[in-house]
Amino acid sequence: EAQVTQNPRYLITVTGKKLTVTCSQNMNHEYMSWYRQDPGLGLRQIYYSMNVEVTDKGDVPEGYKVSRKEKRNFPLILESPSPNQTSLYFCASSNPGGGYEQYFGPGTRLTVT
Amino acid sequence: AQSVAQPEDQVNVAEGNPLTVKCTYSVSGNPYLFWYVQYPNRGLQFLLKYITGDNLVKGSYGFEAEFNKSQTSFHLKKPSALVSDSALYFCAVSNTGKLIFGQGTTLQVKP
Repeated sequence: EAQVTQNPRYLITVTGKKLTVTCSQNMNHEYMSWYRQDPGLGLRQIYYSMNVEVTDKGDVPEGYKVSRKEKRNFPLILESPSPNQTSLYFCASSNPGGGYEQYFGPGTRLTVT
Repeated sequence: AQSVAQPEDQVNVAEGNPLTVKCTYSVSGNPYLFWYVQYPNRGLQFLLKYITGDNLVKGSYGFEAEFNKSQTSFHLKKPSALVSDSALYFCAVSNTGKLIFGQGTTLQVKP
């Protein structure tokens, strides 16, 4: 089954404790992206990757890191999480180009206390 | 700058009635337009998209959307709403590969 998987689905952590949210897709997509969803703000892009070893900042990259060492994986790293990073996070993948729909993972709900 | 506006936070409709969820956009050049739906505790699912051609686009679950270039709108429609259509709907625009989302509209369909 074609899908995007994320782990963990739920995470409660404390300020400053490094964490990684994994994302993997099995559709051989070149483009991958991370979003955060906050009430009233829709989805905002954090980082994206056009291909392996190619990543770039989205609209809200502060406090986040990413890497793309393999085509299928695109982990999101929070080196020192803060409470304002409490949010719902989505990973997505697609074929390259603006006309392709993105496939979304199930989401990771992160709470930073 | 590209932007998407969904002017209604919530739309309420009775089951069996037609529904419309509104979306307007601002983007330079020719946009690609999308609608996604999010059910509770789920990721976003693609509903439909406009790339070029016919202004009326048909998608999943009986939904359709009308592209209006002069009004820069891309409203989502369905002729007869179902209770199971109740969800959060997002409009999105792209012309460079990056998706810009609206803030979302909650659709509530009452029996």
